[in-house]
This record gives sequence, structure tokens and C-alpha cells, in this order.
Amino acid sequence: GAVVSQHPSWVICKSGTSVKIECRSLDFQATTMFWYRQFPKQSLMLMATSNEGSKATYEQGVEKDKFLINHASLTLSTLTVTSAHPEDSSFYICSARGPLQETQYFGPGTRLLVL
Amino acid sequence: GQQLNQSPQSMFIQEGEDVSMNCTSSSIFNTWLWYKQDPGEGPVLLIALYKAGELTSNGRLTAQFGITRKDSFLNISASIPSDVGIYFCAGRVTGNQFYFGTGTSLTVIP
Repeated sequence: GAVVSQHPSWVICKSGTSVKIECRSLDFQATTMFWYRQFPKQSLMLMATSNEGSKATYEQGVEKDKFLINHASLTLSTLTVTSAHPEDSSFYICSARGPLQETQYFGPGTRLLVL
Repeated sequence: GQQLNQSPQSMFIQEGEDVSMNCTSSSIFNTWLWYKQDPGEGPVLLIALYKAGELTSNGRLTAQFGITRKDSFLNISASIPSDVGIYFCAGRVTGNQFYFGTGTSLTVIP
């Protein structure tokens, strides 16, 4: 149980285009999901906390107009990287707060490469 | 955001050896979580701890919630090559705020 999926697993796009990443909780309802960014050999950097039916809470330094988050249902949150640039290339990982509420379950990650 | 201090940063051990790593914080936490991340994958939850002093095992893995609530330990017994990866601790006070450690990279030499 407590499986989180992410789609796509990797994406290559041209600079200036927008990319949408989906995060789904497959066997539980997640009122709260989290979006992280991870650089090579580094820890997870929290970008934003996504609550179902309300606006996401962004961490300091994360541009909310650049990284659009929508949590329209209890099983789906999306992250859209708008007008992507090469510096946005990274590994993006979502997680969902688990059924016990005191745990987080991670998706498999999405590797984004912006050319 | 706050990060937890995790040590050691990296470990190179022989197959069959035991492994110990720890996570410390200046703040008190109510929940400690331990994750393993393989290259190119998302972290996988190994053990969750909810009470000070709690000792929990998952196969060859054992984790403890420190009595002071400011630290946690993860031990791996009789390491095998598939234990290779990066291990992260995470702490939670209340609500949605989870803080992650800097990670311990484990290499197991066959």
C-alpha cells in the first residue's frame, strides 16, 4: 500500500516550453502532497506544499508563477514548469502524506532536461 | 528550510559488515523517518518512528528514536551489495513540515 506514481519519468524539452508533471497517490487519498527538487548528490529541497482544494504554499525563493502547482483531487497533484530554461533541468520528486498522516511516501521522480 | 545533520556523509564497507549512521538536530521532533534512495529513483520509506526511545526493525535494518528526541540512528546488519544507495533521515515536529537530512552515501564492496 501507499504507492505514489509520477508521470512522466523523464522529459526533454526545448527552452521556453512548459512541462507538466503529474503525481498520483494510487491506493490512498492524500490531502497533502509535496514537491521537491534534487540536484546530483544533494538532499531533497522542498519547493512547495500542495493541499487539495487550496493554493499551494511555496518555500522561500521558489517562484510560484514559474512552478505552478494544482491539487485538484485527493489523488492528483500537478507541477507545471512554465517557460522552462536550462537551469530548470533537475530531478523533481513528489511525495504524498500517507494514510497515517505522519509519514511521506515518495514518487519515483521525474528527470527534466531543458535544452 | 532547516536541515538535519546526518553522519557520516559517506561510507565504504565490506560486504557482511554492519553499518551505523545517525541524524541529529537542534530541535525536538515527534516523528523520525528513514529512507533509502537508489540512483534515479525516489526515496523509499524504510522505517518510521513515533515515540522517544522507540526501537523498530525492518529485516536487517534497525532504527531508534533518540531519548532526547533530537536524534535518531539507523543500523544495517550484515550488509549486502543491494544495500548500496543514499540513506536519508527526516524529522517532523507537527503539521506538514518535514525536514530532511543531508544523506549518507553507502557503498558496499563485495
